[in-house]
Amino acid sequence: AQTVTQSQPEMSVQEAETVTLSCTYDTSESDYYLFWYKQPPSRQMILVIRQEAYKQQNATENRFSVNFQKAAKSFSLKISDSQLGDAAMYFCAYRSPGANSKLTFGKGITLSVRP
Amino acid sequence: GAVVSQHPSRVICKSGTSVKIECRSLDFQATTMFWYRQFPKQSLMLMATSNEGSKATYEQGVEKDKFLINHASLTLSTLTVTSAHPEDSSFYICSAKDRLRSSYNSPLHFGNGTRLTVT
Repeated sequence: AQTVTQSQPEMSVQEAETVTLSCTYDTSESDYYLFWYKQPPSRQMILVIRQEAYKQQNATENRFSVNFQKAAKSFSLKISDSQLGDAAMYFCAYRSPGANSKLTFGKGITLSVRP
Repeated sequence: GAVVSQHPSRVICKSGTSVKIECRSLDFQATTMFWYRQFPKQSLMLMATSNEGSKATYEQGVEKDKFLINHASLTLSTLTVTSAHPEDSSFYICSAKDRLRSSYNSPLHFGNGTRLTVT
């Protein structure tokens, strides 16, 4: 079974600075998808970014980018120019191939942004 | 964008009663819906996968007779917590997969969740 590990329970960043959230995973599959989700206090799950395992190029979405290291099974999220609205829980997630495959989430990390 | 409506957003019930939570895909058809449970400051734990017109697949350790899942149409799945007890108090979230986007890389769409409190 696949596992997703987020070892940092909390992080803090100064507004406008850059922060990196770590995630590692364990799998024997060669093809899969990785995701970062944001969950603000409203509890709504918001997709931040996704990465296809067969693509070597790191995904980027505006201020959000990932550092995907397939061999190391690492998938970190970098948030640049942090904003107060970035404060939330962030979950790393893994999805196997298959039309109805489920998402496996890490434990999450609580990010606070200092004004 | 794809919208998943989850209702109710909050519910308080007495111990021993049953509670039904609805998850509707508003602008797409969902052959597959997933039900998660989340405790405060913790991750989402998958409870079950429901497929339209067939029985749900429950994760290990989840009591299927307690958490009844029905997915009778392509736009509606329901989770019924039967004979609820205080330990069932939690945040329940559904997510749905667009039938027309069958690739596994297509994102899941989440409802806003239901906070259940059993007194």
